[in-house]
Parts: sequence; structure tokens; C-alpha cells
Amino acid sequence: SQTIHQWPATLVQPVGSPLSLECTVEGTSNPNLYWYRQAAGRGLQLLFYSVGIGQISSEVPQNLSASRPQDRQFILSSKKLLLSDSGFYLCAWSQVGAGSTSGANVLTFGAGSRLTVL
Amino acid sequence: LAKTTQPISMDSYEGQEVNITCSHNNIATNDYITWYQQFPSQGPRFIIQGYKTKVTNEVASLFIPADRKSSTLSLPRVSLSDTAVYYCLVVPRGGFKTIFGAGTRLFVKA
Repeated sequence: SQTIHQWPATLVQPVGSPLSLECTVEGTSNPNLYWYRQAAGRGLQLLFYSVGIGQISSEVPQNLSASRPQDRQFILSSKKLLLSDSGFYLCAWSQVGAGSTSGANVLTFGAGSRLTVL
Repeated sequence: LAKTTQPISMDSYEGQEVNITCSHNNIATNDYITWYQQFPSQGPRFIIQGYKTKVTNEVASLFIPADRKSSTLSLPRVSLSDTAVYYCLVVPRGGFKTIFGAGTRLFVKA
């Protein structure tokens, strides 16, 4: 069966410090990968998605970046954190080709990483 | 991507059936309606997906009228543990980009 792992689960970082959040998926190959952010009491904001190695789409201009160094690994980074970067970061995956034969894309989410920038 | 509109919040009591309606007037021919549930401090969890008429699984039912401009998620006999945010999404078949709206915050009372 497929599993998704995110780490760290929580972190507290000072303003201006770098950030690296990691996400890996097991039990599948060439998944679609996603990063979302959820501010306190708000909905989910799509940050990045990737349909393959080297293919990353950015949805929101900001000081964050994403990379996909391996097929099942998705990393969210920042060189200098802002206070507004605080939030709950969620990684998700879906099966490549999902919806091509039946239904539409369905996401499975990780447990999330809660970031507090002070 | 078609925009969705759903109530911001709803209250219910244990044992009642809860119906959450979502409006998606600009739904396209190849769009599917998908619902997720999110508990605090967790990622959303897929509940149900449908294209037309009625879909039922062990968790919920999804009713979609013929014009597909709205849909209703039905939760039978809710319990306190069904207190969560419910998101309605319209997702194109074969599409990857998945956008969440604000969702409906359901609060189930004893």
C-alpha cells in the first residue's frame, strides 16, 4: 500500500532563517506531488505541484520554492522566512493518470508540518 | 477550474442527517465533484466523488441533479466525531491542479 511521510512535524524558526520541509511517498511510482499551506483558521492554498521529476508548477509568487530531486520526494524550501510564512504545510500525492480512465484526481495528504516563524 | 460556493458553517445534533449543498454553476462537461473532510491539525481526507445522479459509499452519499450545477453531500446520523470542515471541489478528469475553497465548518452537538 502507498504511504506518505512528511517531516518535521513541527518547527519554530526565526524570521530570516532558511526552511526545508520534506515529503516522500512510498509504494507507488511517478506520483503527482503537491504542497499546500493552511494559515490558522483558513482554507488550503495550493503552493506547488509536480507531475514528474523536473516539472514543478508554482501557483503563488512568494519566497518559497519547491524541488523534486527524486521521483517520490518533494521538498519545500525558503532562503529567508517571513512572519507570514507561518502555517500548516501539507504535502499530498495522487496517482499519475488518475482520472484518465475513470473519475478525477483524488489526493492523499500527509500528516502536515506546522511552522511557526517568530 | 469551476468555482464552488458552499455555506461557511452548519450546526447539527448527534443522530441527525446532515446535508451540505455546494453550488458550481460553471461546471464543465468533464468535471467531477469531489468532497473532502478535514479534522483540526490533519490533512484533508477524500470522502466521495461523483459525476451525476447518486453515489453512495460507507461514509456518505452524494446527490447530483441532472444539470450538475449543484451537489449535496449527505452524512447519515452524524456523531460528535463528524465535526470537521467539508470541502467541495470540482476537478476536471485528467487534470492535476486541485484547488480547495473555504469549505463548510460542520459542528455536531450532543
